[in-house]
Amino acid sequence: KAGVTQTPRYLIKTRGQQVTLSCSPISGHRSVSWYQQTPGQGLQFLFEYFSETQRNKGNFPGRFSGRQFSNSRSEMNVSTLELGDSALYLCASSRSPQDDRKYFGPGTRLTVT
Amino acid sequence: AQKVTQAQTEISVVEKEDVTLDCVYETRDTTYYLFWYKQPPSGELVFLIRRNSFDEQNEISGRYSWNFQKSTSSFNFTITASQVVDSAVYFCALRREAGNMLTFGGGTRLMVKP
Repeated sequence: KAGVTQTPRYLIKTRGQQVTLSCSPISGHRSVSWYQQTPGQGLQFLFEYFSETQRNKGNFPGRFSGRQFSNSRSEMNVSTLELGDSALYLCASSRSPQDDRKYFGPGTRLTVT
Repeated sequence: AQKVTQAQTEISVVEKEDVTLDCVYETRDTTYYLFWYKQPPSGELVFLIRRNSFDEQNEISGRYSWNFQKSTSSFNFTITASQVVDSAVYFCALRREAGNMLTFGGGTRLMVKP
């Protein structure tokens, strides 16, 4: 069974640009969560999607947005990139929001210069 | 607000030593869930265990064991006879009953030397 896939794995962008990251959950998993990991702030919750609906959102500015498609794949978008957005972005999938056994992908490492 | 503290930022042991990773949490909720995740160098977080706030029974899984003490708001993780493959960053996390958001501690980097 394939794991959670995140693309791209590495990305370098310039301040002011925008970026879209993709997450394909494990087959049969319909809940997708996103986390940002930085050395300073650690792991922080971004948002959670289930059945194409955002269920929860963390304390991030509106520049961070996401969506989920009917096949449960999810994308997150960051507009007007800032240096502080450099981080490892992790996606996690589970069968449902009530399923605590989350499977994380390898992450997308975003570097903003 | 919830808070998870892992005071040990880095631990170094020699193979076969036992090691305990500390986790202290803060919450006003009576029902909550505690987790441990392992993050190897490859980056993905690997689920290790979940406990709910009403189950204080200690758990053992192979070389891993967890000690949950509500009285001290701690959920410590012990690796017995550590191995080089245990080298990773370990995260403790907490989830409220409502919602699916995990609040993570800062992580403990464990280095097991041969």
